[in-house]
Amino acid sequence: DAKTTQPPSMDCAEGRAANLPCNHSTISGNEYVYWYRQIHSQGPQYIIHGLKNNETNEMASLIITEDRKSSTLILPHATLRDTAVYYCIALPYSGNTPLVFGKGTRLSVIA
Amino acid sequence: GAVVSQHPSWVICKSGTSVKIECRSLDFQATTMFWYRQFPKKSLMLMATSNEGSKATYEQGVEKDKFLINHASLTLSTLTVTSAHPEDSSFYICSARDSSMGNQPQHFGDGTRLSIL
Repeated sequence: DAKTTQPPSMDCAEGRAANLPCNHSTISGNEYVYWYRQIHSQGPQYIIHGLKNNETNEMASLIITEDRKSSTLILPHATLRDTAVYYCIALPYSGNTPLVFGKGTRLSVIA
Repeated sequence: GAVVSQHPSWVICKSGTSVKIECRSLDFQATTMFWYRQFPKKSLMLMATSNEGSKATYEQGVEKDKFLINHASLTLSTLTVTSAHPEDSSFYICSARDSSMGNQPQHFGDGTRLSIL
């Protein structure tokens, strides 16, 4: 599976957009980009995933560059409850392939 | 949406005790479930892949006789920590994906915090 690189930490003011980058320069054609987050002492929560097109759901937007070597997760209006560790994972679409977690980005939303 | 339930959420027990953790997919079937372990301030580490009706696949360094996994039905996988010791204290988390539907992400339980005294 492709290795992903994320900044270790970021701060964001409450109410502003949080833009979390992820580099996956070695991603292969059959690998999707998945985003999860883990709020303290809870299991990871699925946010969004995509292959090459930009995606949007009720939680966030995912912007994938045309060459697919990087992506950005956008939380349009960050709240204090969005404070968490965010993980970007590249994974072939397969039900039997486990998610392998890196260190992620610790996002702190500040009032 | 897909819900994965873990039980218990928190357990404290004496050294030498065996502890069973259950992972259930509440509204979908899962032929494969995954077990992770997380130490404080660390990321999740994959322990094993649980396969319905067959043996689990363990990651390197994870003792299969120490961490017994049973996946007896399409909605239930169990992890038993046998003869637990203080170093087994950790946060154990399972995940599952709806096997019947394409393009579905994995969903996680809320985890089980295990403390061995």
